[in-house]
Amino acid sequence: AQSVTQLGSHVSVSEGALVLLRCNYSSSVPPYLFWYVQYPNQGLQLLLKYTSAATLVKGINGFEAEFKKSETSFHLTKPSAHMSDAAEYFCAVTEGGGSYIPTFGRGTSLIVHP
Amino acid sequence: NAGVTQTPKFRILKIGQSMTLQCAQDMNHNYMYWYRQDPGMGLKLIYYSVGAGITDKGEVPNGYNVSRSTTEDFPLRLELAAPSQTSVYFCASSYILTDTQYFGPGTRLTVL
Repeated sequence: AQSVTQLGSHVSVSEGALVLLRCNYSSSVPPYLFWYVQYPNQGLQLLLKYTSAATLVKGINGFEAEFKKSETSFHLTKPSAHMSDAAEYFCAVTEGGGSYIPTFGRGTSLIVHP
Repeated sequence: NAGVTQTPKFRILKIGQSMTLQCAQDMNHNYMYWYRQDPGMGLKLIYYSVGAGITDKGEVPNGYNVSRSTTEDFPLRLELAAPSQTSVYFCASSYILTDTQYFGPGTRLTVL
């Protein structure tokens, strides 16, 4: 069975600081992993996804995530936060066999202080 | 290419009323999904469809019904609305299960 855990419902950073949003997953087979972003009053949109190619995945707006199989993690990072990064971020997992509806984490709200 | 569209954007219902949330996609995706989003709870899957004529229950299907007569449309029906159904509802679609999901803008529903 697949599951995903996002540590921290809220993360607060100063503008220009490193952003680190944590995601751990469980999956019995190699997973497909996603990060989505939701800006206020909007639907979710894809930030990046891991599909078993390179373990370091680059996404939009300067975000990247690294797949670490030994740690079952897929943490999202950005070297320097911008005010426009304030949003809700969701990690999602689906098993590589293609038989399971993707499971979403509970989300992490990123707050960026000036 | 409009992507995934949802109507209405907002709706207020009285307890016991019924309504249909509309969802359409123009990307010829096989899979379509309905989620509800409550504060701090992430996304809960209500129903999904793997193609026209085929639907299945998700994690929280009680109080809802769906149908999928065409590839493009996937309406969600609320029968006998209850305050517990106050939420933001998102429709999404994808080509296959391991592919990116594309989300609509959401419908904010309040049941009073």
